Amino acid sequence: DVKVTQSSRYLVKRTGEKVFLECVQDMDHENMFWYRQDPGLGLRLIYFSYDVKMKEKGDIPEGYSVSREKKERFSLILESASTNQTSMYLCASGRRGYEQYFGPGTRLTVT
Amino acid sequence: GQNIDQPTEMTATEGAIVQINCTYQTSGFNGLFWYQQHAGEAPTFLSYNVLDGLEEKGRFSSFLSRSKGYSYLLLKELQMKDSASYLCAVRDSNYQLIWGAGTKLIIKP
Repeated sequence: DVKVTQSSRYLVKRTGEKVFLECVQDMDHENMFWYRQDPGLGLRLIYFSYDVKMKEKGDIPEGYSVSREKKERFSLILESASTNQTSMYLCASGRRGYEQYFGPGTRLTVT
Repeated sequence: GQNIDQPTEMTATEGAIVQINCTYQTSGFNGLFWYQQHAGEAPTFLSYNVLDGLEEKGRFSSFLSRSKGYSYLLLKELQMKDSASYLCAVRDSNYQLIWGAGTKLIIKP
């Protein structure tokens, strides 16, 4: 079975803090993705990566950055957390052209 | 712009059949996915359509009409565990997934 893990299920941070969310997959997938999910808005793509050290902006990259130093690991960084970044963050991985597999999600609250 | 439309919420009875519709307008089309997401959990892959017609997988079937920009997910013999959100996603010409907001399905005994 494909396994995608995320570093935390729940996280509470203060405004202005730097936040790191980490995602690891064990299926040697080239592609990895970070989404946020908010009620009524569906999944919105923040960043994705199709190879080590490669990254592409998604639909809502502002306020976020990413890092992919190893194939299995894709990190999302909030440089200075703000309350409007309170959300569910989902990581996914997959092979190009095939379905994506999701991690369990991190529910981030910024106070 | 790109747009995926699904009903926000549907209610059905245990043992019955329900059809969840999805209409889309995207820049190009390279397949349509359906995912299931239980509350507080990650989405899990259900089905994939790239050609017109019906794909059947056990109690779940998915239909696609590319000319109409339309798909549906059909769930038969509903069980209480089918209570979840169902997400429709279209892969566009850049091979990116465009997601609908999801349909929350409530199953009543």
